[in-house]
Amino acid sequence: AQSVTQPDIHITVSEGASLELRCNYSYGATPYLFWYVQSPGQGLQLLLKYFSGDTLVQGIKGFEAEFKRSQSSFNLRKPSVHWSDAAEYFCAVGGDAGGTSYGKLTFGQGTILTVHP
Amino acid sequence: NAGVTQTPKFRVLKTGQSMTLLCAQDMNHEYMYWYRQDPGMGLRLIHYSVGEGTTAKGEVPDGYNVSRLKKQNFLLGLESAAPSQTSVYFCASSENRGDEQYFGPGTRLTVT
Repeated sequence: AQSVTQPDIHITVSEGASLELRCNYSYGATPYLFWYVQSPGQGLQLLLKYFSGDTLVQGIKGFEAEFKRSQSSFNLRKPSVHWSDAAEYFCAVGGDAGGTSYGKLTFGQGTILTVHP
Repeated sequence: NAGVTQTPKFRVLKTGQSMTLLCAQDMNHEYMYWYRQDPGMGLRLIHYSVGEGTTAKGEVPDGYNVSRLKKQNFLLGLESAAPSQTSVYFCASSENRGDEQYFGPGTRLTVT
């Protein structure tokens, strides 16, 4: 069964500091990996995705993530956080493994990011 | 191009009442999904559809039914609402299996 763990429920950083949000996954084949962001009262917006190829992927809003197969990780990073980045971030795993997966995504529990001025 | 829309945005039900949530997408996507979001639990898949006329159960299907009579619409029904179904419901769609999913703005449902 596929699963995602986001070890940090809540992270607080100062504006301008660097950020890393952790994500570990379990998936029986080559995973498709996603990071979504959710602002309060809003739906989820895709930040970036990894399907194959270069293991360092760039996303919107200056975010990037690195796929590390040996560690089953897909951590999200940003070199300098802005106050507008305060939101909840979700890592998700899916794939095209066939069978009954039908492309469903499994989400982590989310990490709430607070940004201090 | 509105993407994925959901109606209604908010609803309050009494225990035992029924209702239907409507999801519509204008991207001609084959795959559609209903999730519920509860604090500290991320999003959990209720039901999904891999094309018009098809539906299948997700992780937490009990107490819900769905229908996909038209490709662009995916309906989620609660036949007899329970307080445990108080949640925020999100609809999503994707073009292909495993692709990124596009989410609607959500429906906040309270069952008293």
